[in-house]
Amino acid sequence: GAVVSQHPSWVICKSGTSVKIECRSLDFQATTMFWYRQFPKQSLMLMATSNEGSKATYEQGVEKDKFLINHASLTLSTLTVTSAHPEDSSFYICSAPRLAGYNEQFFGPGTRLTVL
Amino acid sequence: LAKTTQPISMDSYEGQEVNITCSHNNIATNDYITWYQQFPSQGPRFIIQGYKTKVTNEVASLFIPADRKSSTLSLPRVSLSDTAVYYCLVGDQTGANNLFFGTGTRLTVIP
Repeated sequence: GAVVSQHPSWVICKSGTSVKIECRSLDFQATTMFWYRQFPKQSLMLMATSNEGSKATYEQGVEKDKFLINHASLTLSTLTVTSAHPEDSSFYICSAPRLAGYNEQFFGPGTRLTVL
Repeated sequence: LAKTTQPISMDSYEGQEVNITCSHNNIATNDYITWYQQFPSQGPRFIIQGYKTKVTNEVASLFIPADRKSSTLSLPRVSLSDTAVYYCLVGDQTGANNLFFGTGTRLTVIP
């Protein structure tokens, strides 16, 4: 099956610093990837759509200047949380559809971000 | 955007069959129904997808009535390792509807 990896799996940082999270499709190419955020005991919330070679599309209420997304290749998308604050502490998950349709998403294992 | 409604939680004993129902009254003609499973601190995992009638794979079955306004995920003979949150999503192949997760159903399997 299709595999999506994320790095790091967890990160702890001080308030005000920036953190980069990588999402890779290991055995397929993904022109589109998606980033989610999940708070404890809550559902996944779509943050943005990452498009290879073009700007990301952000969902309403998500600050694009705070959550920088870069999709530089067909197998890698990065999410950078800039000037992180404790309220940004969350579980960040990426996904990619292996085929052209959006129906079957392959999710990464997630990255736990804790901002002190 | 077809909204889905699921029970918040369910409990089941080991070895029983579990049926989780999802309501999607506003499902569109081109929409498919997709179910995901999520364990704590992991990304969701695709379980099954269907359009109408019944779909079965090695993990689960999906029952969809003729009006398609609801669907039922059936897990045969659950074990403790099936304790997870199950999400039902509705959307077509080209749109972004399949990216919006509802509340999900938290299934707890009891020994």
